[in-house]
Amino acid sequence: GAGVSQSPSNKVTEKGKDVELRCDPISGHTALYWYRQSLGQGLEFLIYFQGNSAPDKSGLPSDRFSAERTGGSVSTLTIQRTQQEDSAVYLCASSLGGGGTKNIQYFGAGTRLSVL
Amino acid sequence: GQNIDQPTEMTATEGAIVQINCTYQTSGFNGLFWYQQHAGEAPTFLSYNVLDGLEEKGRFSSFLSRSKGYSYLLLKELQMKDSASYLCAALNDYKLSFGAGTTVTVRA
Repeated sequence: GAGVSQSPSNKVTEKGKDVELRCDPISGHTALYWYRQSLGQGLEFLIYFQGNSAPDKSGLPSDRFSAERTGGSVSTLTIQRTQQEDSAVYLCASSLGGGGTKNIQYFGAGTRLSVL
Repeated sequence: GQNIDQPTEMTATEGAIVQINCTYQTSGFNGLFWYQQHAGEAPTFLSYNVLDGLEEKGRFSSFLSRSKGYSYLLLKELQMKDSASYLCAALNDYKLSFGAGTTVTVRA
């Protein structure tokens, strides 16, 4: 597609349920990133993929969070046993990867997760 | 790690100029990004500075001083549609570290 696509745009779930968030990056972008944006705070890095590998998972807040990427394209972020503090906007970005302007990250519109 | 500071809010009049400052402290640095984010929308790329100096792109300009750990985004001839949050981000290798964003309100 023309841009980074995320689904669903909104997700309301009950505490304790599992959720899956999907990201479809720009075609040809080898690098993919997940961020979390809470109200009044900056974007918080969660995980980075280069191809299907995740060399940096350092931002995942707990073992309830996991992510995978298949075919060097679509990525899924899974949150198990959701908690109210997981409520936030989850943003995905992709880039060509490499130096210079290939570092520019392009963002999707995000998934707004509300845990009741 | 990274420490990115920028003002929380700024207000300006339509047609005026606003300068958003950003300071960063980083253990490694590969460039400074500015993004614009309207409420409920994706952050959109504005500028990328690697070398010291001013980069001009239409009504928007961005400046970087690596020795001072300082950048600014200059918005000229403000329009109502420029009301948004502006995010400063420092690149370390592949990872972007973001400030909390500066909300700019443009008044008629």
